[in-house]
Amino acid sequence: AQSVTQLGSHVSVSEGALVLLRCNYSSSVPPYLFWYVQYPNQGLQLLLKYTSAATLVKGINGFEAEFKKSETSFHLTKPSAHMSDAAEYFCAVSDANTGNQFYFGTGTSLTVIP
Amino acid sequence: NAGVTQTPKFQVLKTGQSMTLQCAQDMNHNSMYWYRQDPGMGLRLIYYSASEGTTDKGEVPNGYNVSRLNKREFSLRLESAAPSQTSVYFCASSKIPVGGGNTGELFFGEGSRLTVL
Repeated sequence: AQSVTQLGSHVSVSEGALVLLRCNYSSSVPPYLFWYVQYPNQGLQLLLKYTSAATLVKGINGFEAEFKKSETSFHLTKPSAHMSDAAEYFCAVSDANTGNQFYFGTGTSLTVIP
Repeated sequence: NAGVTQTPKFQVLKTGQSMTLQCAQDMNHNSMYWYRQDPGMGLRLIYYSASEGTTDKGEVPNGYNVSRLNKREFSLRLESAAPSQTSVYFCASSKIPVGGGNTGELFFGEGSRLTVL
């Protein structure tokens, strides 16, 4: 069965510091992987996605993620945190066997300290 | 374009009451979804509709029913609300390629906050 694990439900970084949010997935076939961001009282919006092309994926707002098959990981990074990055981040997985379904992790809340 | 529109945004119910959450998308997407979001549990799929005329259960379907009214609209009904259904509900849509392969992104509405007393 497909699943996603996000390590760390809360992450705090100083403004200007590296952001690293962790995501590990489980899938029996090549996965499609997504990172979404949710700002307070809003719906989720796509940051970036991996769909079997380049393993290093660049997204909006300076975020990027690297697909590592050997580690079954898809960690999200940003070199320098900005106050506006404070939000909830969700990793999601799907694949050719999931029948139009997407499976989400439990989310990581990012706090940026001025 | 409005994207995905959900109504109502807020609702308070008493235990045993019924209500319907409405969702409409104007992006000509074939697939639509209902999720619930609870603290510490991420998003859990309630029901989804891969295409007009079809609906399927997700991870947590008990206590809910859905209707795919047409390609644009997908409603979620609580027949007899329970306090355990207090949650934030999100509707989403996606364009799934013919033949499957969920490479398309999900587009979400702004959410409906439901409290059941």
